[in-house]
Amino acid sequence: AQSVTQLGSHVSVSEGALVLLRCNYSSSVPPYLFWYVQYPNQGLQLLLKYTSAATLVKGINGFEAEFKKSETSFHLTKPSAHMSDAAEYFCAVSPIYNQGGKLIFGQGTELSVKP
Amino acid sequence: DAGVTQSPTHLIKTRGQQVTLRCSPKSGHDTVSWYQQALGQGPQFIFQYYEEEERQRGNFPDRFSGHQFPNYSSELNVNALLLGDSALYLCASSLMLAGAYEQYFGPGTRLTVT
Repeated sequence: AQSVTQLGSHVSVSEGALVLLRCNYSSSVPPYLFWYVQYPNQGLQLLLKYTSAATLVKGINGFEAEFKKSETSFHLTKPSAHMSDAAEYFCAVSPIYNQGGKLIFGQGTELSVKP
Repeated sequence: DAGVTQSPTHLIKTRGQQVTLRCSPKSGHDTVSWYQQALGQGPQFIFQYYEEEERQRGNFPDRFSGHQFPNYSSELNVNALLLGDSALYLCASSLMLAGAYEQYFGPGTRLTVT
């Protein structure tokens, strides 16, 4: 069965520092991959997606992620953290064979940004 | 362009009761998926509706049921509520013609079972 692992339930960075949130998936066939952000008491907002096109994907708010098949990874990065980036981040996969069905989410990583 | 809307925002129910949650998809979308997000967890897929039929289902008991209407809006029904059903229930919409992979989420309904 497909699964998603997010390394680190909590990540803390200083404002202006690099943000790196890690995501690994388990699948023999590369799935479609997504990063979502969730602010307190809100729903999920799509940050970016990988759907078999370019391996380096740019999203909103300056975030980007790189798909690495050899490492089964899809880590999320941002060169310079802003206070407004503090939120919960979820990595998700959608198996290609599933034809647009369910998203399988990781446990989430809470990002804190220190002034 | 209206996004995904859900109602109600919050709900408090007693064990054994039944609850209905509602979702209106993003304009132009025809597919609705429901997820349960327990505190401190990632969302878990409940089921997906397309053309008024349940298309896929996650590992949830039959107490969880749904419906999709001709205007693509959807309802999630939970019978015989348990304390463990307390969670944030998220609705997501997508477009089947585009593969339905890109799902847009609503703000959720916070259900508390006492």
